Amino acid sequence: SQQGEEDPQALSIQEGENATMNCSYKTSINNLQWYRQNSGRGLVHLILIRSNEREKHSGRLRVTLDTSKKSSSLLITASRAADTASYFCATVEYGNKLVFGAGTILRVKS
Amino acid sequence: SQTIHQWPATLVQPVGSPLSLECTVEGTSNPNLYWYRQAAGRGLQLLFYSVGIGQISSEVPQNLSASRPQDRQFILSSKKLLLSDSGFYLCAWNRLAGAVEQFFGPGTRLTVL
Repeated sequence: SQQGEEDPQALSIQEGENATMNCSYKTSINNLQWYRQNSGRGLVHLILIRSNEREKHSGRLRVTLDTSKKSSSLLITASRAADTASYFCATVEYGNKLVFGAGTILRVKS
Repeated sequence: SQTIHQWPATLVQPVGSPLSLECTVEGTSNPNLYWYRQAAGRGLQLLFYSVGIGQISSEVPQNLSASRPQDRQFILSSKKLLLSDSGFYLCAWNRLAGAVEQFFGPGTRLTVL
């Protein structure tokens, strides 16, 4: 099953601009996680936000969570060409199983 | 520090041939282990997960099987590959307790011809 749905599917911006990606999910969650995947590589964990948190920062990343709307957003500020990658949100089903969305493909042009 | 290895990195196999992909984790004990498949341009589909040696849970009925012969070794297998088995296979682990982040291996690109 697919829990998270990212929006937009693809995003192309200029270096230095901010990039915002959104994720919607369907069921109650304990936490929501964001991952990054460079082309042809494994996923790398970026940030985890718990259901009782509304906002979290890590470097140039800012994640918000609105449990009433069952949505989250990932903001990357002052984007760089090296930020070009696919970004996935993931929620936790029972046990330790993550359910991933289809992802947003971000392209940062230099 | 913990590391996770997958091999091979790429594999081209004919339809009907067997498959064995291996994943090993170093630097931790009693990890949860996971196999995912990613179709081109898509998200990840959980195939199998394991909470201990010999304990395998299958998420999706399919042509594949998994085994965990050792604590930090997870193997994905098939007796006869189908064209639809092509994809990018990712192994991941996380700690036993709590719903925390997963750490992914570099993946295996499988092409079935």
